[in-house]
Amino acid sequence: TQLLEQSPQFLSIQEGENLTVYCNSSSVFSSLQWYRQEPGEGPVLLVTVVTGGEVKKLKRLTFQFGDARKDSSLHITAAQPGDTGLYLCAGDGGATNKLIFGTGTLLAVQP
Amino acid sequence: DTEVTQTPKHLVMGMTNKKSLKCEQHMGHRAMYWYKQKAKKPPELMFVYSYEKLSINESVPSRFSPECPNSSLLNLHLHALQPEDSALYLCASSQVPGPAYGYTFGSGTRLTVV
Repeated sequence: TQLLEQSPQFLSIQEGENLTVYCNSSSVFSSLQWYRQEPGEGPVLLVTVVTGGEVKKLKRLTFQFGDARKDSSLHITAAQPGDTGLYLCAGDGGATNKLIFGTGTLLAVQP
Repeated sequence: DTEVTQTPKHLVMGMTNKKSLKCEQHMGHRAMYWYKQKAKKPPELMFVYSYEKLSINESVPSRFSPECPNSSLLNLHLHALQPEDSALYLCASSQVPGPAYGYTFGSGTRLTVV
């Protein structure tokens, strides 16, 4: 069974701080996605990483895919209250043809 | 149009009621999905439609009945639900079946069973 564990589970920080969210598995994934879900809304796709070691930047967000394609990280620089939400990593389940969601990280950025 | 539209946004139903959730997309996506999400938890897959045919049923109880009338529409018929079925029900679509290119999610229907 493919599992994706995220850490931390909860994170409450002040505006302007930096943070990193981790997504780890013992399984290899052909690609990995990150979604952000705001309260009362559906998840929104932020990025897809497909190559081991790949780094992608989206404004203040930096995403990295591990060399072995078993883990990923999301780093946010100078967090803002608008970054508040549930962050979900999700992996391509390969032969199952399913999207495997991580356990989620709930981020609260206080003004 | 780059959206998945879900209606209604909120629904309260009794355990003996029959109701339906509706999902619509006009992006030409050929796969559509139903997910169930409890508060602060990741979404759980319920059903997958691929080219308008049911391809995955994650052992969902028969009180949930999906329907895909055409490539743009996906319904979820509800009957005799239990209070523990209260959750956010999310619809998603993808350009082709499978997770490789990511999913577009709707805003969900917040369902409360009383």
